Amino acid sequence: EVQLVESGGGLVQPGGSLKLSCAASGFTFSGSAMHWVRQASGKGLEWVGRIRSKANSYATAYAASVKGRFTISRDDSKNTAYLQMNSLKTEDTAVYYCTADYYDSSGYAECGYWGQGTLVTVSS
Amino acid sequence: QSVLTQPPSASGTPGQRVTISCSGSSSNIGSNTVNWYQQLPGTAPKLLIYSNNQRPSGVPDRFSGSKSGTSASLAISGLQSEDEADYYCAAWDDSLNGPGVFGGGTKLTVL
Repeated sequence: EVQLVESGGGLVQPGGSLKLSCAASGFTFSGSAMHWVRQASGKGLEWVGRIRSKANSYATAYAASVKGRFTISRDDSKNTAYLQMNSLKTEDTAVYYCTADYYDSSGYAECGYWGQGTLVTVSS
Repeated sequence: QSVLTQPPSASGTPGQRVTISCSGSSSNIGSNTVNWYQQLPGTAPKLLIYSNNQRPSGVPDRFSGSKSGTSASLAISGLQSEDEADYYCAAWDDSLNGPGVFGGGTKLTVL
């Protein structure tokens, strides 16, 4: 069974930093792209960024709203992905989800499996 | 303002067929596949349709997806009360703003 467990959320002041973790199990973590998606309370989903696998050179990409402030990394030896968030703004307040690839006989989908999310609150 | 446009709400009675649209552009839906997600109240999103029209294992065949040009649709037939949820479309975008884009979401109400 695929499991994604986010941790590290909490309350942080504007301008501060926070690092989220996503512990994965039940699939070949090293072969999967890992994405982060966030959702402000009562709002829709917003893609934050992703890191691809070693086979794809660990390529990263970010949404314009977080580029230069957020960094995604991964440790394949620990089956864990990370989201380092710096220079946090009040508008970064949201539940942050990590996602992994889904595979079956018909193909695959990035953002196929989702964790339960972790809440980040940016407030003074 | 989301890059992909969905109607904010949709509704139907049990047993009916409802469709939810998702409109994009040549840089996203026009050149990439579409995923659909279902988010039940208080839970994480769940993959419902991928690659425009493929159902992951365990998803009932009441759910189907299609794509034409720069638009996509999700159809739910034999509507059930447990289908009441938020539905989101998603696609990858080839523009410089970053590759992942979602629709604003459609709240489906089962009357």
